[in-house]
Amino acid sequence: NAGVTQTPKFQVLKTGQSMTLQCAQDMNHEYMSWYRQDPGMGLRLIHYSVGAGITDQGEVPNGYNVSRSTTEDFPLRLLSAAPSQTSVYFCASSYSLIYEQYFGPGTRLTVT
Amino acid sequence: KNEVEQSPQNLTAQEGEFITINCSYSVGISALHWLQQHPGGGIVSLFMLSSGKKKHGRLIATINIQEKHSSLHITASHPRDSAVYICAVSYVYGGATNKLIFGTGTLLAVQP
Repeated sequence: NAGVTQTPKFQVLKTGQSMTLQCAQDMNHEYMSWYRQDPGMGLRLIHYSVGAGITDQGEVPNGYNVSRSTTEDFPLRLLSAAPSQTSVYFCASSYSLIYEQYFGPGTRLTVT
Repeated sequence: KNEVEQSPQNLTAQEGEFITINCSYSVGISALHWLQQHPGGGIVSLFMLSSGKKKHGRLIATINIQEKHSSLHITASHPRDSAVYICAVSYVYGGATNKLIFGTGTLLAVQP
């Protein structure tokens, strides 16, 4: 099993550009989520999905879009990048939130 | 006040010392997670607890549901234990568990 994979590992964007962060898992997990990690703050939930075709907002959803067309993939789209979106982004998956959580390696995004 | 608080924020120990990291939470939960993140690295799940105590090698995690408190202990600490340790709770709201709330982490440095 590859576990949870994320691409790219690093990305630099200019303000206003858009991009998609990819996340995939091969463990047949229903629950997938995106977090951002900023210095001095705990991980914060951006969006999550409890299964294919079902997504919902977390605590910091503005400026981000998600879709879940398959169980395996959960891409995160930045619609119009802003410097405030400079962060490290982690994708995670699990059977549910009362089971072990599996995290991807992270994407370090810088918006200039 | 944060819903999940960890103490201490920073901890320096000598190799071989017994280490305790604490986590207190103020919300209803269905599970508590301890995670480890090495500098510049990904996030790995160490434990998932809903009651009692779990042990894995030199690591022990306990939870007291009534007191809303958990501890992570490291026995015979080693420099390779140097990392950020993150407490997260599976938050129960409206009868469902649909998100994790994270503490800000404890940065542990174990000196040889």
